[in-house]
Amino acid sequence: TQLLEQSPQFLSIQEGENLTVYCNSSSVFSSLQWYRQEPGEGPVLLVTVVTGGEVKKLKRLTFQFGDARKDSSLHITAAQPGDTGLYLCAGARLIEGGGADGLTFGKGTHLIIQP
Amino acid sequence: ETGVTQTPRHLVMGMTNKKSLKCEQHLGHNAMYWYKQSAKKPLELMFVYNFKEQTENNSVPSRFSPECPNSSHLFLHLHTLQPEDSALYLCASSQDSSTDGQFFGPGTRLTVL
Repeated sequence: TQLLEQSPQFLSIQEGENLTVYCNSSSVFSSLQWYRQEPGEGPVLLVTVVTGGEVKKLKRLTFQFGDARKDSSLHITAAQPGDTGLYLCAGARLIEGGGADGLTFGKGTHLIIQP
Repeated sequence: ETGVTQTPRHLVMGMTNKKSLKCEQHLGHNAMYWYKQSAKKPLELMFVYNFKEQTENNSVPSRFSPECPNSSHLFLHLHTLQPEDSALYLCASSQDSSTDGQFFGPGTRLTVL
């Protein structure tokens, strides 16, 4: 069974501060995906990282995939109240021959940005 | 309608009822999924369909029965559920590779009395 450990589980910081969320596993994934979920809604895809060591930026959000493709991090610069939400990391298994597959999710990080 | 839609958004049912959840995707994707989201637990994969064929059943009890009549529609038939089955049931779709991101519907909030 592949597991994804996400930390921290809860984080409350002031507007303007920086933060990092971590997603770790002992398993190798073909890709790591980050989602954001608001109350009463489904998760929304933020980014997919595929190559070991890959870094992707989405405005103030920076995503990194570990060299061994077992872990990932999400860094937010100058956090704003609109960044409040549940952040989920999810890993896709390696499948021989390709094809779509379900995701293994971490428990998520509940982020609150205080004005 | 765009994206992934789910109906109903909320459902309350007794343990002896039979009900169905519906999911429709308007993205032209080839894979569809059912996930269960409970409090204090990670999102759990239930079923995967690729090109209308079920490719994964993640040890889900038989009281949950999926159906995928075409690549745009996915159903979850519910029968004699237990109170612990109360959760948010999420449908998702993706293109056709394990590296493709998934697009989720808003979910059905299910309460079993």
